[in-house]
Amino acid sequence: NAGVTQTPKFQVLKTGQSMTLQCAQDMNHNSMYWYRQDPGMGLRLIYYSASEGTTDKGEVPNGYNVSRLNKREFSLRLESAAPSQTSVYFCASTFPRQAYNEQFFGPGTRLTVL
Amino acid sequence: GENVEQHPSTLSVQEGDSAVIKCTYSDSASNYFPWYKQELGKGPQLIIDIRSNVGEKKDQRIAVTLNKTAKHFSLHITETQPEDSAVYFCAAPGGSYIPTFGRGTSLIVHP
Repeated sequence: NAGVTQTPKFQVLKTGQSMTLQCAQDMNHNSMYWYRQDPGMGLRLIYYSASEGTTDKGEVPNGYNVSRLNKREFSLRLESAAPSQTSVYFCASTFPRQAYNEQFFGPGTRLTVL
Repeated sequence: GENVEQHPSTLSVQEGDSAVIKCTYSDSASNYFPWYKQELGKGPQLIIDIRSNVGEKKDQRIAVTLNKTAKHFSLHITETQPEDSAVYFCAAPGGSYIPTFGRGTSLIVHP
C-alpha cells in the first residue's frame, strides 16, 4: 500500500495564478483532510471531508476550495494564489468516523507564491 | 472548539538525556490524545496515543501521561538518541472526531 500520496511535491506560483493540489489514499478511509503548516503555527485545518460526497470548512478555509472526487481522492484548489498562501500543505485520512482515530499523513506539498 | 497549548516550542538535550513535552487542552469532552513525530521533509506520523480511561502508556523509550483533572498530558522520551530529533505534535479532539493540534515542539538531540 502506498498510503497517502500527494502531488506535486514542490510548486512555485506567481500571485494570481491557480493550481490544484492532488491527494489520494488507498487505505479505504472515509475521512480526508487538508492542513497547512506554517512555522510556529502547527497544523491548521483548511477543509475536511467526513465521507464521500461531503465537505466542510475548517479553521482557515478562505482562498481555498476542495473536491472529494471519490472515496480515494480529495483535491485542494487555489483559485487566485496569494503570497500568504505560501506554506506546506498536508493531506491526511482516517478510518470511519470514530473518536479514536489515527490520522495518516501524506508527504506534503511545498508551495511558494511569489 | 478545543484549544491545545504545547510547550516548549524548542527543546535541546544531550544524547542520553530525557525529554518532556507538555500539552494542555480546554475541552473536557476530549478523550483521545495522540502524539505525532514529524521528521524533516516528511508528514507527521503517530508514535503513541492514550485514551481518557488510562493515566499512562509506555512503548519502549517513549511514554505518555494524562491528567484529566488538570487537563494536561505529556510526552516523555528517555535515553534520547540523535534520531529522536524531529518536530513533535500533540492533539486533542474536543467534542468532535477532528483533532486540534498543538503548535509543535522542535526536539534537538546533540550527539
